[in-house]
Amino acid sequence: DVKVTQSSRYLVKRTGEKVFLECVQDMDHENMFWYRQDPGLGLRLIYFSYDVKMKEKGDIPEGYSVSREKKERFSLILESASTNQTSMYLCASSLDQEADTQYFGPGTRLTVL
Amino acid sequence: ILNVEQSPQSLHVQEGDSTNFTCSFPSSNFYALHWYRWETAKSPEALFVMTLNGDEKKKGRISATLNTKEGYSYLYIKGSQPEDSATYLCARHRGQGNLIFGKGTKLSVKP
Repeated sequence: DVKVTQSSRYLVKRTGEKVFLECVQDMDHENMFWYRQDPGLGLRLIYFSYDVKMKEKGDIPEGYSVSREKKERFSLILESASTNQTSMYLCASSLDQEADTQYFGPGTRLTVL
Repeated sequence: ILNVEQSPQSLHVQEGDSTNFTCSFPSSNFYALHWYRWETAKSPEALFVMTLNGDEKKKGRISATLNTKEGYSYLYIKGSQPEDSATYLCARHRGQGNLIFGKGTKLSVKP
């Protein structure tokens, strides 16, 4: 079974802090994704990567950056956290760029005070 | 962004009822449609990936149909059980391996 893990289930940070959200997958998947989920808005794509050191902006990249130094790990970075980045963050991975199932991590609920 | 719309937003049914909900999407340049189930406190879990017009897929009591020409998919649950309570998400594949998701239908099944 594919396993996608995220570093924290719950995280509380202060405005202006630099925040790292880590995601690791164990199935040698090419693609990795970061989403945020907010009530009434559904899952929205922040960034994705289809290879090591490659990154592509999703629909809402502002205020975020990402890093993919190793194939199995995809990090989401909030350079200076703001209260409007309080959200549930989900990481996902998929095997390749075709119409392949995405496998999700358990999510990190981030609160920025 | 090619919007994916889901209806209804939420649904409350009694145990044993059958139910269905809709996902609509732009029909041009269609590649694939995904359905996921997201239970509270768990990860979204893939149900189906559908690619061909007229596709029908089934997993236990849950089935889905696809009409790519008119841009919709239906998800059916036969004889709903409390454990079916979840948010059901559909997503349209838009190339580069990424998906655009609808806002989901939240199903609550009362015992």
